[in-house]
Amino acid sequence: AQKVTQAQTEISVVEKEDVTLDCVYETRDTTYYLFWYKQPPSGELVFLIRRNSFDEQNEISGRYSWNFQKSTSSFNFTITASQVVDSAVYFCALSDYTGTASKLTFGTGTRLQVTL
Amino acid sequence: ETGVTQSPTHLIKTRGQQVTLRCSSQSGHNTVSWYQQALGQGPQFIFQYYREEENGRGNFPPRFSGLQFPNYSSELNVNALELDDSALYLCASSLESAVDSGNTIYFGEGSWLTVV
Repeated sequence: AQKVTQAQTEISVVEKEDVTLDCVYETRDTTYYLFWYKQPPSGELVFLIRRNSFDEQNEISGRYSWNFQKSTSSFNFTITASQVVDSAVYFCALSDYTGTASKLTFGTGTRLQVTL
Repeated sequence: ETGVTQSPTHLIKTRGQQVTLRCSSQSGHNTVSWYQQALGQGPQFIFQYYREEENGRGNFPPRFSGLQFPNYSSELNVNALELDDSALYLCASSLESAVDSGNTIYFGEGSWLTVV
């Protein structure tokens, strides 16, 4: 069965610090997709990135970067020079194709609190 | 904004009652999924609709049912509400095909349901 583990329940940092959110996944599929979403207090899940299992290149988007390591089944997310606006709950998710439907299996999320 | 809109945003129901939640998918998206997110947890897949047919279901009882309309909008119905049904209900839309393409799933802001 698919499983996503986000061991960090809550992280608090001071603005401008770098922070890494960990994600470890389990799957038997050879082709799969990994996602990160941000959930502010409003509730909406904001899409951040999608990565397929064949692309292990790290990706950088502004202050955000992602490190995908298939050997350790990890897909970690780093925010450089964090800002107060980064405060939110962050979810890592793994695609699960049932043969007819595509669904996401989510981790339990990491709450990031950035203070001044 | 993702273009996925949900209504109502908040509602309170009494145990045993029935509730209907509505969702308009992003323009051009033919697939709608519903997720339940309990407090402090990651979203859990309820079911998915593709071309007006349910094509995948998570571990939820039959009192959770849905519809998808020709314009791809959708409803989630929950009968015989229980206290544990209190959660954020998220609608998500995507463009699916017959195979797992790993297309990004976009979420709405959710409907906060409280059962008392």
